[in-house]
Amino acid sequence: GENVEQHPSTLSVQEGDSAVIKCTYSDSASNYFPWYKQELGKRPQLIIDIRSNVGEKKDQRIAVTLNKTAKHFSLHITETQPEDSAVYFCAASNTGNQFYFGTGTSLTVIP
Amino acid sequence: NAGVTQTPKFQVLKTGQSMTLQCAQDMNHEYMSWYRQDPGMGLRLIHYSVGAGITDQGEVPNGYNVSRSTTEDFPLRLLSAAPSQTSVYFCASSPYLRETQYFGPGTRLLVL
Repeated sequence: GENVEQHPSTLSVQEGDSAVIKCTYSDSASNYFPWYKQELGKRPQLIIDIRSNVGEKKDQRIAVTLNKTAKHFSLHITETQPEDSAVYFCAASNTGNQFYFGTGTSLTVIP
Repeated sequence: NAGVTQTPKFQVLKTGQSMTLQCAQDMNHEYMSWYRQDPGMGLRLIHYSVGAGITDQGEVPNGYNVSRSTTEDFPLRLLSAAPSQTSVYFCASSPYLRETQYFGPGTRLLVL
């Protein structure tokens, strides 16, 4: 099966700074990589995703990059705001009909 | 649309008891799945379904059963609850595989 590793497990940044979260995957057949944001006590919600035929995708302050050769993908949040504080999960999906999640990054944005 | 709904929100069980966690979606999604979320371990796939009548095991299926008799419903059954099954359970659905997954609000389960 797939193995997704996520780093760091915790991240603190000053408001306005950038935050970067990195994930690696093991199965070269994986081709869909979503990122989810989960606020305390709430359900995970998709914030951005990328497919293996694309190297980068942006949505306002959020971007995701994918390096298929190195089998890693990263989430970039610019101009962070206190409401960005949450746990972020990366995931990978291969041809086996399954999603594999990273262990999460707890992001704290300090006002 | 209600999206993905789950009941109950919270449940306490004794070891050995059985119960069913309910999940329903009104978006006509083909793909549905069940995850458990434990501290420091992310979300782990228990079972999934790619359509009515079709189910398959995920990463951690032991102790759980599922069925998919309709497109809308995907119940998760705990056969004989164990303390190791204490967790938060999320149901999710998506139109197809490798598309955006929509999660339900979760069920918090405590097994004593």
